[in-house]
Amino acid sequence: QQQVKQSPQSLIVQKGGISIINCAYENTAFDYFPWYQQFPGKGPALLIAIRPDVSEKKEGRFTISFNKSAKQFSLHIMDSQPGDSATYFCAARSPEGGGNKLTFGTGTQLKVEL
Amino acid sequence: GAVVSQHPSWVICKSGTSVKIECRSLDFQATTMFWYRQFPKQSLMLMATSNEGSKATYEQGVEKDKFLINHASLTLSTLTVTSAHPEDSSFYICSARDQRGMQFFGPGTRLTVL
Repeated sequence: QQQVKQSPQSLIVQKGGISIINCAYENTAFDYFPWYQQFPGKGPALLIAIRPDVSEKKEGRFTISFNKSAKQFSLHIMDSQPGDSATYFCAARSPEGGGNKLTFGTGTQLKVEL
Repeated sequence: GAVVSQHPSWVICKSGTSVKIECRSLDFQATTMFWYRQFPKQSLMLMATSNEGSKATYEQGVEKDKFLINHASLTLSTLTVTSAHPEDSSFYICSARDQRGMQFFGPGTRLTVL
């Protein structure tokens, strides 16, 4: 029940295209859903996050769509650029233990080609 | 923005030796810090949750006597890998939780045990 399923495992998008990464969860107690971007040999960096009472959040070229009834959320990267090539992880925060624990998806390797 | 540092960024050691990794929150106080382990092309796996001034909480399957965690101040947590073996070689990442509940990750430490 603590799992977060992420797809696809890898994604190749042409420059200027839209990258879409999907995540699904089971635990309805999750209360916060961040997305992280990780470059090789670096730690993850928070990209954008959403709470379950909001259906969409947009920050620049990055948008999270959240479907509470389906227990799914997705990251859309508009006008994808080669510099966006990285691994992306969705995550979900559990309220247990004071709202500390993050459960990560399996990651999506995005490659944006020229 | 919130900055978390790790030291060292990489370390190579001989089998049987102990290695200490430091995690610091540079511009905020973190009552809670987390230690993750990441294998190549895999997701982050939470090892333990470290609360300032108290014992760390370890995830199932993580040996507390092997991975010693100390959180002596609001800005510093340390992970000591005792009697390291080649199978402990991995990318170790810490994160620190700020007062808003957001987690910020360090740049990671690459441990190679020969």
